[in-house]
Amino acid sequence: QTVVTQEPSFSVSPGGTVTLTCALESRSVSGAHYPSWYQHKPGRAPRILIHNTSDRSSGVPDRFSASLVGDKAALTITGAQADDEGHYYCSLYLSEGIFVFGPGTEVTV
Amino acid sequence: EVRLVQSGAEVTKPGESLKISCQASGYVFANYWIGWVRQRPEKGLEWMGIIYPGDSDKRFGPSFEGQVTFSVDKSVNTAYLQWDSLKASDTAIYYCARRAYNWNDGQTHWFDAWGQGTLVTV
Repeated sequence: QTVVTQEPSFSVSPGGTVTLTCALESRSVSGAHYPSWYQHKPGRAPRILIHNTSDRSSGVPDRFSASLVGDKAALTITGAQADDEGHYYCSLYLSEGIFVFGPGTEVTV
Repeated sequence: EVRLVQSGAEVTKPGESLKISCQASGYVFANYWIGWVRQRPEKGLEWMGIIYPGDSDKRFGPSFEGQVTFSVDKSVNTAYLQWDSLKASDTAIYYCARRAYNWNDGQTHWFDAWGQGTLVTV
């Protein structure tokens, strides 16, 4: 069983910066996992923010950025806004068409 | 515009069967994988698996193989998620999502369009 870990929660001040991470329990996250990041708000469908490690999806504000940091994937929100409150999930591609989600990080602004 | 519209909320009993749907529009249905994602109450997203409408090829997450059935009907651009015998632990919101495909570089490892979710209460 592949175990993905994310911070349970973060609180950030309006205008502040926060970095969320996504790790694998037994090995490093790499570009071969094609990390993606989703924003999910209550009562709404998840929304893709980042794909292929660091590519912002269409319509996503540039205050969202992502990369690999050490052995983890990381999502940074720079200049957080109230509208950024919600849960953030990383997704990793394992192999043979199989994906896995992390447990999610709740962000409070 | 790519749209995925899911069937409405369901209330069922343990042991009953159920089939929910996800109707696609705005693109060629047969050419993109459709994934299913579960969100139990107060829990995170769980990747259940995917199906390719073109040939019904399927992949399952480790917790879901043998527990659910994926199918499609290309004539109505619709994907289905089915249970033969529901359990209380199947109570959740279920989302369908289209696996992306970038026709320029072949990149495909994310889900770019999502249905609104179907609440199943057992």
